[in-house]
Amino acid sequence: DAGITQSPRHKVTETGTPVTLRCHQTENHRYMYWYRQDPGHGLRLIHYSYGVKDTDKGEVSDGYSVSRSKTEDFLLTLESATSSQTSVYFCAISDPTGGITEAFFGQGTRLTVV
Amino acid sequence: AQKVTQAQTEISVVEKEDVTLDCVYETRDTTYYLFWYKQPPSGELVFLIRRNSFDEQNEISGRYSWNFQKSTSSFNFTITASQVVDSAVYFCALSRIAGSARQLTFGSGTQLTVLP
Repeated sequence: DAGITQSPRHKVTETGTPVTLRCHQTENHRYMYWYRQDPGHGLRLIHYSYGVKDTDKGEVSDGYSVSRSKTEDFLLTLESATSSQTSVYFCAISDPTGGITEAFFGQGTRLTVV
Repeated sequence: AQKVTQAQTEISVVEKEDVTLDCVYETRDTTYYLFWYKQPPSGELVFLIRRNSFDEQNEISGRYSWNFQKSTSSFNFTITASQVVDSAVYFCALSRIAGSARQLTFGSGTQLTVLP
């Protein structure tokens, strides 16, 4: 199994509070991604990173920010959580420039905003 | 823009039946990758297969087979002699080959239920 750890695994937070989710990898993969999964929508990309301090927006980036100061860590921050951000969040890694084009996923974080 | 469509939201079959999951995609790229992932009830996402757009050979792995047809932009997945353990949500996905934007674009998934 790819070495990807998401923390926390479950979180309940109140509307308006900031929340940070962490993704840690031990595979030294260049690319890291944050997706959210909602019923009827599959997985939608929030942000991704193609190197340290290199990030870009995905399809549903509003209300989210990311940071990657080290190869192994990719943080997702909800600046002011809203109920519409209740979802399951998945981190993924890949290394297409190193021949690993498929993405490997973490276990997911279930976030509930009340 | 890239798009993946899995028109079958839910499929239910009886054990030992064959079942095909459909995937249709849209892309302006001439080269790309296609993928299938499985999400069992436990929730993790499991990589099943990757296919390059320039390789149209069908692939078989045990009870699983994949039919890639570039002419119809389809990448269908067949499970032969289905088993209860095949019950899961299956996702088809697409990614670029060139450039920095290598993220996967997913379909909305097909929930497969295999009844004993």
